[in-house]
Amino acid sequence: GAVVSQHPSWVICKSGTSVKIECRSLDFQATTMFWYRQFPKQSLMLMATSNEGSKATYEQGVEKDKFLINHASLTLSTLTVTSAHPEDSSFYICSARGGGDYGYTFGSGTRLTVV
Amino acid sequence: AQSVSQHNHHVILSEAASLELGCNYSYGGTVNLFWYVQYPGQHLQLLLKYFSGDPLVKGIKGFEAEFIKSKFSFNLRKPSVQWSDTAEYFCAVTRGSGGSNYKLTFGKGTLLTVNP
Repeated sequence: GAVVSQHPSWVICKSGTSVKIECRSLDFQATTMFWYRQFPKQSLMLMATSNEGSKATYEQGVEKDKFLINHASLTLSTLTVTSAHPEDSSFYICSARGGGDYGYTFGSGTRLTVV
Repeated sequence: AQSVSQHNHHVILSEAASLELGCNYSYGGTVNLFWYVQYPGQHLQLLLKYFSGDPLVKGIKGFEAEFIKSKFSFNLRKPSVQWSDTAEYFCAVTRGSGGSNYKLTFGKGTLLTVNP
């Protein structure tokens, strides 16, 4: 079945530094990728939608200059959290969509802790 | 904007008990509906989905869900739960056509604990 690999699974960084999270579709071409943020005991909140070769579409309230998304190929999307601060600490999940049956495959998530 | 409500934050059952998790959505047009499960330490996995046709949908691991359009509901059921069903369950919806309607909107999730 479709597999999405997300790395790293956890990362700790110092405040003010940048962190890159990768999301790869391993056995299918992902025409669209989604980035979510999940707070403890809360739902997945969509941050942005990216289509290969075009700029990402950010949800209202998400700072596009802080959360840089690149979808340079049909199998790779990256999320870079720039100048991270403790309030950016969260669980980030990517999802890839490919094919015609509304199939969404999720990565295993990245736990970001900013100290 | 569409929204999804899951009524139960935490459900605790004993093995062999029956399960029903509620899910309601707010969008009045055509929708596609999903239930996902997240086992501890693992990624989200699709349990079942509804696009059209028979409103009673059967998924993996003995789960089923019924789409009741008049109630804007898509409740998840299982007649007899097992300890291994302990997980968090998310209901999600997309609008029923393409483009930006591919965006999934999730409910807040229901944590199911099954005691042996």
